[in-house]
Amino acid sequence: SSGLTQDPAVSVALGQTVRITCQGEILRNYYASWYQQKPGQAPVLVLYGKNNRPSGIPDRLSASSSGNTASLTITGAQAEDEADYYCNSRDSSGNHLVFGGGTKLTVL
Amino acid sequence: EVQLVESGGGLVMPGGSLRLSCAASGFPFSSYSMNWVRQAPGQGLEWVSAISGSGSYMYYADSVKGRITISRDNAKNSLYLQMNSLRAEDTAVYYCARDAYYGFDVWGQGTMVTVSS
Repeated sequence: SSGLTQDPAVSVALGQTVRITCQGEILRNYYASWYQQKPGQAPVLVLYGKNNRPSGIPDRLSASSSGNTASLTITGAQAEDEADYYCNSRDSSGNHLVFGGGTKLTVL
Repeated sequence: EVQLVESGGGLVMPGGSLRLSCAASGFPFSSYSMNWVRQAPGQGLEWVSAISGSGSYMYYADSVKGRITISRDNAKNSLYLQMNSLRAEDTAVYYCARDAYYGFDVWGQGTMVTVSS
């Protein structure tokens, strides 16, 4: 299967650490990329590759991967981290893309 | 400034057609593959289509294959999505996104397509 599975919702207390996961067999061959989307806004790339952040993304966000699972970890969650997070990868052909269903992160 | 600006969305009847455009600026457009991604109201992101930098290769999600055509005009720094035989389930915000291969690093603001009678 080329599908990517994410938990629909996760919550974290302010200042605590949270991990958002993405599962799929394709992740054994390709890294995931991660996108943050706030209400009414376009998605923003926040993590890619082994553990890379585009310019301007805070270093409290990090990526990791093991087997068929990719993870986004936020260390010391802030109120502004509350958003929907999507993982994304290529399928086995390398030409088609697939998104996970998204995880709604609530910062309490 | 690197920028993508979509246009062309609107209300269309089931079975109708619509052509979306995406104007790119601030980067060498022909050097990048480009994609369309859509998001139905209250739903997640769905990859729709991709086109190589030269325009020679196009790829489509199964959900739209045969009804949607992606194209580009590198001389005009523009990306297009021709949508035919539209269905209610095609109702979504359509985003164009630059493909840096490691991820979609630039997104437009999106254009809304509503398919309804």
